[in-house]
Amino acid sequence: GENVEQHPSTLSVQEGDSAVIKCTYSDSASNYFPWYKQELGKGPQLIIDIRSNVGEKKDQRIAVTLNKTAKHFSLHITETQPEDSAVYFCAASKNQFYFGTGTSLTVIP
Amino acid sequence: DAGVIQSPRHEVTEMGQEVTLRCKPISGHDYLFWYRQTMMRGLELLIYFNNNVPIDDSGMPEDRFSAKMPNASFSTLKIQPSEPRDSAVYFCASSLNKGGMSKNIQYFGAGTRLSVL
Repeated sequence: GENVEQHPSTLSVQEGDSAVIKCTYSDSASNYFPWYKQELGKGPQLIIDIRSNVGEKKDQRIAVTLNKTAKHFSLHITETQPEDSAVYFCAASKNQFYFGTGTSLTVIP
Repeated sequence: DAGVIQSPRHEVTEMGQEVTLRCKPISGHDYLFWYRQTMMRGLELLIYFNNNVPIDDSGMPEDRFSAKMPNASFSTLKIQPSEPRDSAVYFCASSLNKGGMSKNIQYFGAGTRLSVL
């Protein structure tokens, strides 16, 4: 089956700096790559997604890039704010979702 | 819409007891998923349903776990008997088929935090 690896497991950045989280996947048939944000005590919430026919997608301060050849995709958050502090999960999907192990992001005011 | 609703939010029980977790998906959604989240293993898919029918239960860890979906608006995950290693946060998620499950956004509930003593 699919194997999704996510790095780093923890990330601390100063407010206003950028944060980058990277994921790799193993199944070249995966064609949908969502990113979820999980705040303390809540369920994961979709923040952005990308499909395999697109290389990059941006939504305000959040962007995701996909390299199908290398089988990796990344989440980029610019101008980070304290409310961006949360755990972020990547996932790869062909049929069902396979999640990465999560990145705990802390934005230091 | 109220989103995916799970109950209870917290459950504390003793080893050997039966535990039932409940989920109400978003109205109109035709897929329902049960996940388990632990620090060690992250988010694991346990089972998912399509139109109330179980499609893949390969993630269910043992026969002690069972899930049902008697109708489109309700699902249960049952653990009998429960063990301390079942302690985790259990999430339910639902999605609407838009032409292939891989294209469907999954909406998660707030989860049930289970502690088995």
